[in-house]
Amino acid sequence: EPEVTQTPSHQVTQMGQEVILRCVPISNHLYFYWYRQILGQKVEFLVSFYNNEISEKSEIFDDQFSVERPDGSNFTLKIRSTKLEDSAMYFCASSDDRVGGYTFGSGTRLTVV
Amino acid sequence: ILNVEQSPQSLHVQEGDSTNFTCSFPSSNFYALHWYRWETAKSPEALFVMTLNGDEKKKGRISATLNTKEGYSYLYIKGSQPEDSATYLCALQTGANNLFFGTGTRLTVIP
Repeated sequence: EPEVTQTPSHQVTQMGQEVILRCVPISNHLYFYWYRQILGQKVEFLVSFYNNEISEKSEIFDDQFSVERPDGSNFTLKIRSTKLEDSAMYFCASSDDRVGGYTFGSGTRLTVV
Repeated sequence: ILNVEQSPQSLHVQEGDSTNFTCSFPSSNFYALHWYRWETAKSPEALFVMTLNGDEKKKGRISATLNTKEGYSYLYIKGSQPEDSATYLCALQTGANNLFFGTGTRLTVIP
């Protein structure tokens, strides 16, 4: 069964450093998403991406965050200057239409120290 | 931010028991209701996406119902097995293309 692949599975970074989280969505999917879960809290939406541009973003997704689909297969989330409160499990997901279930990756655990 | 609530937060049942849990959500701006099954160290797996009031969906021993007018959905598991142990997440999709998740119900099935 097709999978969404995320790398790395765990990243530790120093506060203020830039990180890039990588995702390979399912190849024929059209919609791509990033979500995150801070420990003990709900899974929360960051951004959705369709037709090579951001279609929706949450208040969390400020100027420190950016997404890119550089080569038609990868979908990356960049955090320019990480803060302690960015520590969370980051999930990439993709779907083939707006009303289908999402396929999630297994997540990248980001720890900012 | 829309408030999606799930209850109970956690549940222990004996193998073979049937169980159910609840997801409640604001009924305005409803577009779809998703259920996901999330095992530890794995990715959340889509179970159901429901859009119509009165929808009932079934996948093996797991089924779900939807009431959009009163803003709730039930997930039922018949004859629970140890492999059903997981966190079950519901998420509300509004007209926009994002999901608002509940906190999940953590199910433990005791052999």
